[in-house]
Amino acid sequence: DTGVSQNPRHKITKRGQNVTFRCDPISEHNRLYWYRQTLGQGPEFLTYFQNEAQLEKSRLLSDRFSAERPKGSFSTLEIQRTEQGDSAMYLCASSRERGRGFYGYTFGSGTRLTVV
Amino acid sequence: DQQVKQNSPSLSVQEGRISILNCDYTNSMFDYFLWYKKYPAEGPTFLISISSIKDKNEDGRFTVFLNKSAKHLSLHIVPSQPGDSAVYFCAAGSHNQGGKLIFGQGTELSVKP
Repeated sequence: DTGVSQNPRHKITKRGQNVTFRCDPISEHNRLYWYRQTLGQGPEFLTYFQNEAQLEKSRLLSDRFSAERPKGSFSTLEIQRTEQGDSAMYLCASSRERGRGFYGYTFGSGTRLTVV
Repeated sequence: DQQVKQNSPSLSVQEGRISILNCDYTNSMFDYFLWYKKYPAEGPTFLISISSIKDKNEDGRFTVFLNKSAKHLSLHIVPSQPGDSAVYFCAAGSHNQGGKLIFGQGTELSVKP
């Protein structure tokens, strides 16, 4: 169990550029989640996958955001035409579906995006 | 629409004393609740959870209490240690929401030696 890995750890980009983040979940976890956290706030849900299927997207996820999880393994989150309001910590988490069990999933260390 | 609220942004406690972190929620459909701990530059780490059918769950120095009628939960840390200094988030979810969690804003706990 190597934990949830996110790359890059930090990204500074100019407004209008596209950025892509990668998340490698714990290998036996079939669920993968993306959250966004801004200063002074808790993580906000963006989207989640069960295996390769994207099952839910938050209304926070505008058309400029797209997430994929090909083959149900790693996931990417792309932001097109970045805006300053996109500056945040992007967190990935994974869990194993356990029926009606608790969803205490494992978070990665996050990718901090700064749009200048 | 803040469904999970932590009204205290910060809390300072002396080492060895009890830390009590509070959380309120509005959605009666939540059926499990969790506490996460976060250090700077790291992702949140799962700490303890409780099902809505229970009113208490204990794990070592950490105890979570749930008052469903008041839609309130609290995390007790006894005794508090300087290493407990971190931001604590409460989160809530429901079994028909696929593991999606709603987080509070967090409370920064500082435990002073």
